[in-house]
Amino acid sequence: EAGVAQSPRYKIIEKRQSVAFWCNPISGHATLYWYQQILGQGPKLLIQFQNNGVVDDSQLPKDRFSAERLKGVDSTLKIQPAKLEDSAVYLCASSSGTGYFGEQFFGPGTRLTVL
Amino acid sequence: GNSVTQMEGPVTLSEEAFLTINCTYTATGYPSLFWYVQYPGEGLQLLLKATKADDKGSNKGFEATYRKETTSFHLEKGSVQVSDSAVYFCALSDLDTGNQFYFGTGTSLTVIP
Repeated sequence: EAGVAQSPRYKIIEKRQSVAFWCNPISGHATLYWYQQILGQGPKLLIQFQNNGVVDDSQLPKDRFSAERLKGVDSTLKIQPAKLEDSAVYLCASSSGTGYFGEQFFGPGTRLTVL
Repeated sequence: GNSVTQMEGPVTLSEEAFLTINCTYTATGYPSLFWYVQYPGEGLQLLLKATKADDKGSNKGFEATYRKETTSFHLEKGSVQVSDSAVYFCALSDLDTGNQFYFGTGTSLTVIP
């Protein structure tokens, strides 16, 4: 089966610019996650969707970050405006359930560099 | 709250050496525990998991046992190969906090021939 797809793989922007990342989860997976992975750290959950709805966005910096999942499939994560500290790899993952016993499948990530 | 603490790396071993990567956790509920691996240039992949105390997860020669009494989930392999060079992440998922995954900081392993 096809894995989680993400694009772009790399993005370099100036601070205060905007950027958007796209994720296509594994077909049929109801739950979708966005993580931020700063160099040398483990992934940190930004937002979790169950179908179209948001399950948890408590760690999403809502003043600059937004995410949506239209029709319960693809998702986009946007940063506007970007700051230097947003430089990180943004990972998308999906799972077939709510993840308690199940596995999360990760995409390759988008490496963002903010100059 | 929930958190995962991993031994710091990087770890460098010779081929066929024994590997242990320590992982301890704190959790408000009764979590499931996972080890994920990230090979160079690739995404995170599930290596193994355990969902209750004394369960042993195993895959590709790696093992980890869920120890509730010591809140640990140490990763072991008896004989590492060059192809095991990667970053290893310990993680937990806790139903009491909405099944969020909490990851450790990762341990980089390099195996030299």
